[in-house]
Amino acid sequence: DIQMTQSPSSVSASVGDRVTITCRASQGISSWLAWYQQKPGKAPKLLIYAASSLQSGVPSRFSGSGSGTDFTLTISSLQPEDFATYYCQQANSFPVFGPGTKVDIK
Amino acid sequence: QVQLQESGPGLVKPSETLSLTCAVSGYSISSGYYWGWIRQPPGKGLEWIGSIYHSGSTYYNPSLKSRVTISVDTSKNQFSLKLSSVTAADTAVYYCARGAPYYYGSGNYYFDYWGQGTLVTVSS
Repeated sequence: DIQMTQSPSSVSASVGDRVTITCRASQGISSWLAWYQQKPGKAPKLLIYAASSLQSGVPSRFSGSGSGTDFTLTISSLQPEDFATYYCQQANSFPVFGPGTKVDIK
Repeated sequence: QVQLQESGPGLVKPSETLSLTCAVSGYSISSGYYWGWIRQPPGKGLEWIGSIYHSGSTYYNPSLKSRVTISVDTSKNQFSLKLSSVTAADTAVYYCARGAPYYYGSGNYYFDYWGQGTLVTVSS
């Protein structure tokens, strides 16, 4: 089975900061990777699919990159509404989510 | 606008079967896509339980496969989850979601629409 790891597990940042989250797959998954944002008490929200395609309606400050085993989610200028937990998800075999990265206020 | 809504008991006794239904509006289940269940134990991460393709084919997480059944009722445009022999470890928020294939016929997909989630507690 393909395992997913994320780093860091948590990050403290300020409004306006650039934040980068890394997701690594235990084996190559081409570009079959999605990123989700989850706020407390809410369902996850799709941000990015196919590693770098921005879901409709998602602000352009979110971007994704990578292929194979290493992927990144970047928030170019952190906004107050971006404080949340972010999950990656591979779909090369059955869906597997990463453990999550919590972005909180510094 | 595609919308999904979970429903079912919020409390299930140990060893019994958890049953949830996801009602879909704004899209016909039989027209395409995967339809999946994902759960999240309190304070923990997301775990895929299983999915059903619009054709009726089912796919389950190997770690839960022996206890999971997912079915679809196209006449009501809804799909259901049954998880048998539950324990306290099955306490979680259960989400239903639509799985969008990366390309036609692909078995690889991401979840583009989600229900709001429903908390199921396993306790006597």
